[in-house]
Amino acid sequence: DIVMTQTPLSSPVTLGQPASISCRSSQSLVHSDGNTYLSWLQQRPGQPPRLLIYKISNRFSGVPDRFSGSGAGTDFTLKISRVEAEDVGVYYCMQATQFPLTFGGGTKVEIK
Amino acid sequence: QVQLVESGGGVVQPGRSLRLSCAASGITFSSYGMHWVRQAPGKGLEWVAVISYDGNNKYYADSVKGRFTISRDNSKNTLYLQMNSLRVEDTAVYYCAKDGSLDYWGQGTLVTVSS
Repeated sequence: DIVMTQTPLSSPVTLGQPASISCRSSQSLVHSDGNTYLSWLQQRPGQPPRLLIYKISNRFSGVPDRFSGSGAGTDFTLKISRVEAEDVGVYYCMQATQFPLTFGGGTKVEIK
Repeated sequence: QVQLVESGGGVVQPGRSLRLSCAASGITFSSYGMHWVRQAPGKGLEWVAVISYDGNNKYYADSVKGRFTISRDNSKNTLYLQMNSLRVEDTAVYYCAKDGSLDYWGQGTLVTVSS
């Protein structure tokens, strides 16, 4: 199974300041079809997860442009350019290149 | 808009069975693969199973293989998860999610396995 490792576990951020979350996979996420199926999900308190970013850097419908994804191979990053109060929650990276799908352990974003 | 609504959760004793359902609307259900993902209380996300758009291909997490069965009825726009031989460690909120990127999720249904 592909192991997804996220850092940091927790990220206290001042409103309006940037935040960055890293995700590393135990093996390359490049699929045989040439795509890299790395996604980022947000889970607000008491809510189900919500897709933010798919295939490394594609924002899903309705996702604000302060969220961006980057990376390649085994190293990926989610950036929030200016954190807002509604961004509080846990963020997960997820790989769908190979079964079983696997998730990172999550990064909690909170306001300082 | 896309809606996924899970049902069927509850409290069940270890070793017993439960069937979850996920009713889909706002999408052409028969065109998409569907997943079950679970989240134990206070824990992260764990993928459980996937079924292809036509039901012909299914994959399972090792933790549920041989005990859980994913299925679908495209005429009813509904996804199922039959859970047998339930264990305490299966206690979780179970979510259904659409397609390869899990682009839409339901609100989840809580399954509690306890004696």
